[in-house]
Amino acid sequence: GENVEQHPSTLSVQEGDSAVIKCTYSDSASNYFPWYKQELGKRPQLIIDIRSNVGEKKDQRIAVTLNKTAKHFSLHITETQPEDSAVYFCAASDTGFQKLVFGTGTRLLVSP
Amino acid sequence: NAGVTQTPKFRILKIGQSMTLQCTQDMNHNYMYWYRQDPGMGLKLIYYSVGAGITDKGEVPNGYNVSRSTTEDFPLRLELAAPSQTSVYFCASRKSGENTEAFFGQGTRLTVV
Repeated sequence: GENVEQHPSTLSVQEGDSAVIKCTYSDSASNYFPWYKQELGKRPQLIIDIRSNVGEKKDQRIAVTLNKTAKHFSLHITETQPEDSAVYFCAASDTGFQKLVFGTGTRLLVSP
Repeated sequence: NAGVTQTPKFRILKIGQSMTLQCTQDMNHNYMYWYRQDPGMGLKLIYYSVGAGITDKGEVPNGYNVSRSTTEDFPLRLELAAPSQTSVYFCASRKSGENTEAFFGQGTRLTVV
């Protein structure tokens, strides 16, 4: 089955800096890679996703890149703000597109 | 539009007790999931279902059972609660198909003492 690894587990940056979170996956047939943000005490919510036929996708200050050959994808946040502080999860759908397997999460702290 | 609704929000169980965590969605989603999130950890898949009458094990199914008699409801049953089951439980649903967003319930915080 699919296995998703995520690094780093914690990331501290200064406001205005960029943040990068990286994930690797094991199932070469996976082709959907979403990113979720979970604020303290709240439910995870989708912030951006990418399909395997696309190498990069941007939405304002966030972007995701995908390298299918290397089986890794990354989340990039530019001009970070204190409200970006949260736990971020990457995920991948398995071969049958039914299961959604999550990484272990990255706690991002943006200091003013 | 309520989305995914979980009940209860909080529960304290004694070791050996049993309980059912309720999850219902009103988006007519075929796929439903139960995850557990231990403190400071990621989301681990317990069970999932791709439609009424169909369930399958995830990464950590031991100690849990599920059923899916309707499209809307996907209850999670804990038998003989153990301290290791102390966690936050999230139910999620998504449309069938390969590239669809998962919507999460607000979570159930369970403590087993």
